[in-house]
Amino acid sequence: AQSVAQPEDQVNVAEGNPLTVKCTYSVSGNPYLFWYVQYPNRGLQFLLKYITGDNLVKGSYGFEAEFNKSQTSFHLKKPSALVSDSALYFCAVRASSGNTGKLIFGQGTTLQVKP
Amino acid sequence: GAGVSQSPSNKVTEKGKDVELRCDPISGHTALYWYRQSLGQGLEFLIYFQGNSAPDKSGLPSDRFSAERTGGSVSTLTIQRTQQEDSAVYLCASSLTGSIHEQYFGPGTRLTVT
Repeated sequence: AQSVAQPEDQVNVAEGNPLTVKCTYSVSGNPYLFWYVQYPNRGLQFLLKYITGDNLVKGSYGFEAEFNKSQTSFHLKKPSALVSDSALYFCAVRASSGNTGKLIFGQGTTLQVKP
Repeated sequence: GAGVSQSPSNKVTEKGKDVELRCDPISGHTALYWYRQSLGQGLEFLIYFQGNSAPDKSGLPSDRFSAERTGGSVSTLTIQRTQQEDSAVYLCASSLTGSIHEQYFGPGTRLTVT
């Protein structure tokens, strides 16, 4: 069965410092991996995805993520955090095989960036 | 361009009543999804439509839940005989296809069953 784990309920960083939000996954075959962000009382916004190719993917708002097949991880990173990055972040996975497009989401990690 | 829209934004209903939630996907997107977001369960997949293929209903929690997609565009999620545990935010998403493309989410419908 497919699953996603985000081991931290909350991550606290100071503005200007680098941030990492962790994600590990379990899926049969090759994974398609996604990060989404949710601001209060709003829907999910797509940040970035890994489908194939370069393990380091860059996305919106200066975020990037590194796919590590051996560790089955897809951690989200940003070199310098902004207060406006404070939000709820979700990692999601789907298998590359099979005919369903459904995403399996992690439980989410709240990022708090303090001035 | 226009994003995914959902209506109503909020719905309060009495236990036992039926409700219909509507989703308008992004024009040209062939894949449409429904998810449910609640405090205790996180984000759960409900149902997936891809073109004219049979939908993937594997996430529907009970036979009180059903969904249809008319003309390959607008979708309606129907919950019959609502229960308090159905209270959640129901999110609709669409994507260009159902494989490698990212899903774009609507703002959701907050359903409260009293």
